Amino acid sequence: EVQLVESGGGLVKPGGSLRLSCAASGLTFSNYIMNWVRQAPGGGLKWVSSISGKSGYIHYADSVKGRFTISRDNAKNSLYLQMNSLRAEDTAVYYCASLTVTNYFDYWGQGTLVTVSS
Amino acid sequence: QSVLTQPPSVSAAPGQKVTISCSGTSSNIGNNYVSWYQQLPGTAPKLLIYDNNKRPSGIPDRFSGSKSGTSATLGITGLQTGDEADYYCGTWDSSLSAGVFGGGTKLTVL
Repeated sequence: EVQLVESGGGLVKPGGSLRLSCAASGLTFSNYIMNWVRQAPGGGLKWVSSISGKSGYIHYADSVKGRFTISRDNAKNSLYLQMNSLRAEDTAVYYCASLTVTNYFDYWGQGTLVTVSS
Repeated sequence: QSVLTQPPSVSAAPGQKVTISCSGTSSNIGNNYVSWYQQLPGTAPKLLIYDNNKRPSGIPDRFSGSKSGTSATLGITGLQTGDEADYYCGTWDSSLSAGVFGGGTKLTVL
């Protein structure tokens, strides 16, 4: 059974930093394009960032470019999101999700809540 | 403002059929596969349809997907109260080099 388990969320002040982690099991992690998708309270799904299996291709949404950094450690089956210069509008549940070659998100974690507030 | 356009809400009676539309452009739906996700209240999204019209194992055939040009449609027949959820379409946008979703459609089974 595939499991994606996020951690690292919490309350942080505007301008602060946070690092999210996603531990994967039950899949050949290095074969998957991994992503972060977020959902603001009462809002819809918004794609945040994507990283290819060997970290050769990385993409970011314009709203987080220059502030967030996605990375992965295939030896640890783990995905990360370093979030700097956080803003109130970054408040959301952050999901870790795997992406297939035909661009669908097949597995999702349960999400971790990030709240940016003073 | 979402890149893909969905109706905010749809409703129908138990046992009836409903369709949810998803409109995009040539840089996303027009040249990439579309997927659909179901999000029950308080839970993570779940894959419902992939590659325009395929169902993952365990998804009943009451759920169907189709695509034509720059639009896609999710169909649900034999509606049940348990189908009440938010539904999202998604794909990749080749011009933006970004994943994109619709704004979501809330299904109410009256």
